[in-house]
Amino acid sequence: NAGVTQTPKFQVLKTGQSMTLQCAQDMNHEYMSWYRQDPGMGLRLIHYSVGAGITDQGEVPNGYNVSRSTTEDFPLRLLSAAPSQTSVYFCASSYLDAGIDGYTFGSGTRLTVV
Amino acid sequence: AQSVTQLDSQVPVFEEAPVELRCNYSSSVSVYLFWYVQYPNQGLQLLLKYLSGSTLVKGINGFEAEFNKSQTSFHLRKPSVHISDTAEYFCAVILNDMRFGAGTRLTVKP
Repeated sequence: NAGVTQTPKFQVLKTGQSMTLQCAQDMNHEYMSWYRQDPGMGLRLIHYSVGAGITDQGEVPNGYNVSRSTTEDFPLRLLSAAPSQTSVYFCASSYLDAGIDGYTFGSGTRLTVV
Repeated sequence: AQSVTQLDSQVPVFEEAPVELRCNYSSSVSVYLFWYVQYPNQGLQLLLKYLSGSTLVKGINGFEAEFNKSQTSFHLRKPSVHISDTAEYFCAVILNDMRFGAGTRLTVKP
């Protein structure tokens, strides 16, 4: 089925480790974004991309890197994991900028940093 | 200041009763407004959106929302809820990028 695929679904990291959360979409969407979801805080934007080769920071970018080498893929890298990065991470994509046509979300990655 | 405020963190309601989930937005943001639903252990799904035109917007699963510019509100309503509507609901606005409210957990009891 067409949509947004995130891997892994669950991950436990030790403080200081690095890892990459994968996100792929097969809908030819130009706009992709990463959010983190924390209890009582809704979703906060980490980074976004308006197309291949173009990325920008969102509301909470510190500690994360992204790249967009293809239209389909938008990986999120944690450089040196910290307990404050324990969260559920969602990737989302849309045809139009900023999700104005409505986002399609992945099913999320639940990350625990110990 | 918050771009979007969801006034209730939790809303318990009995099955077949009506429900209203309240959302207020900052008047400084654009009037592109959204409601999303998140079922347990899933990603968010778009319920409905307001971009322009009629202020009453109908969405999926029998939900509707009304854009009220004078009150800067975009409340979500359903006339009769089902057990399956138990989920978390997020209001969102566009402010350069999409900003989400903190969420309202709707619990439908038998």
